[in-house]
Amino acid sequence: GDSVTQMEGPVTLSEEAFLTINCTYTATGYPSLFWYVQYPGEGLQLLLKATKADDKGSNKGFEATYRKETTSFHLEKGSVQVSDSAVYFCALSNPGTASKLTFGTGTRLQVTL
Amino acid sequence: GAGVSQSPRYKVAKRGQDVALRCDPISGHVSLFWYQQALGQGPEFLTYFQNEAQLDKSGLPSDRFFAERPEGSVSTLKIQRTQQEDSAVYLCASSLWGAKGSSEAFFGQGTRLTVV
Repeated sequence: GDSVTQMEGPVTLSEEAFLTINCTYTATGYPSLFWYVQYPGEGLQLLLKATKADDKGSNKGFEATYRKETTSFHLEKGSVQVSDSAVYFCALSNPGTASKLTFGTGTRLQVTL
Repeated sequence: GAGVSQSPRYKVAKRGQDVALRCDPISGHVSLFWYQQALGQGPEFLTYFQNEAQLDKSGLPSDRFFAERPEGSVSTLKIQRTQQEDSAVYLCASSLWGAKGSSEAFFGQGTRLTVV
């Protein structure tokens, strides 16, 4: 079956530090890949996505590249801010499943001044 | 509506009680999903509707869980005879297209169920 593995948190960084959150996946088909973010007290929001190999998704300074050869979709940001503190979820969706998502366990990011 | 709305936001149930959780999806969205998110875990799929048809209920953990979407809009997730292991946040999501397409899923804020 499909699964997503992401690095455990919490990840604590100082403001302006470089962020990487690792994500690897196992899928039966050729999935689309997503990063969702959950800010404190809010619902899950789509951060970025990529639908085919070598695609780069980007939003709000975050980037992730779909690497089929390594089955990975690592999230990166060059300079984090305190406002980026949240829980980040990597997820996949197989084609023809109408966006049914398989999530990783989430990585909590805390950014300090 | 502006987004996916879920009610109640919080529910405390005594063990053995029945509960009903409501989801109002974005107007016009064909697909509706329910997920269960245990503390410290990622959301796990429960069930999927395309309009009023429940096309996938493979994630429902037991026959105590039942979901419906009778008019293809509002959905209700019902849990009968609640157990402590049912304590979790229940998330609803909707997306514009049906099974042959793929579009962004928009999530509600969830209902936090605590069974005591």
